[in-house]
Amino acid sequence: EAQVTQNPRYLITVTGKKLTVTCSQNMNHEYMSWYRQDPGLGLRQIYYSMNVEVTDKGDVPEGYKVSRKEKRNFPLILESPSPNQTSLYFCASRQGLTEAFFGQGTRLTVV
Amino acid sequence: EDKVVQSPLSLVVHEGDTVTLNCSYEVTNFRSLLWYKQEKKAPTFLFMLTSSGIEKKSGRLSSILDKKELFSILNITATQTGDSAVYLCAVEHTGTASKLTFGTGTRLQVTL
Repeated sequence: EAQVTQNPRYLITVTGKKLTVTCSQNMNHEYMSWYRQDPGLGLRQIYYSMNVEVTDKGDVPEGYKVSRKEKRNFPLILESPSPNQTSLYFCASRQGLTEAFFGQGTRLTVV
Repeated sequence: EDKVVQSPLSLVVHEGDTVTLNCSYEVTNFRSLLWYKQEKKAPTFLFMLTSSGIEKKSGRLSSILDKKELFSILNITATQTGDSAVYLCAVEHTGTASKLTFGTGTRLQVTL
């Protein structure tokens, strides 16, 4: 089954404690992205990757890092999380001019 | 600045009604417009529109794009309670295939 898998689904952490949200896709897609979704602001792109070792900033990259060492994986790293990064995060992948497939989301709370 | 605006923000209708959701955009280097339905968590794909005036249809849902006036509409006829969701519009920019700009969504509630 074609899917994008994110882990964990829910995470509560404390300010400053580094964390990683993993994302993996099994469709051999070249393009992968991370979004955050906040009430009233919609989905905003954090980072995206067009292929292995090729990443670029989206609209709200501050406080986040990504890496793309393998085609299937695109982890999101928060080196020093802060409460304003409390949000619902989505990973998505797509191939060429097709729709984006989304993961099930990770609800992150930073206290 | 690239912008995608959806309206209305929210609406409540009775089962069986027809609804029209709007999406207008101002982006540089437009490539396509996508509609998604978001129920509990992950958005699920509905339509991708690239050409003006060509209606895409899937069951009771249909959508059309007007590239001259920079907007799209999503129609849902004979609404059902299962149509209750947030409907998201996103615009893709050329040159960077993974760049999607989303609107804030329209929350639709269908009541009995």
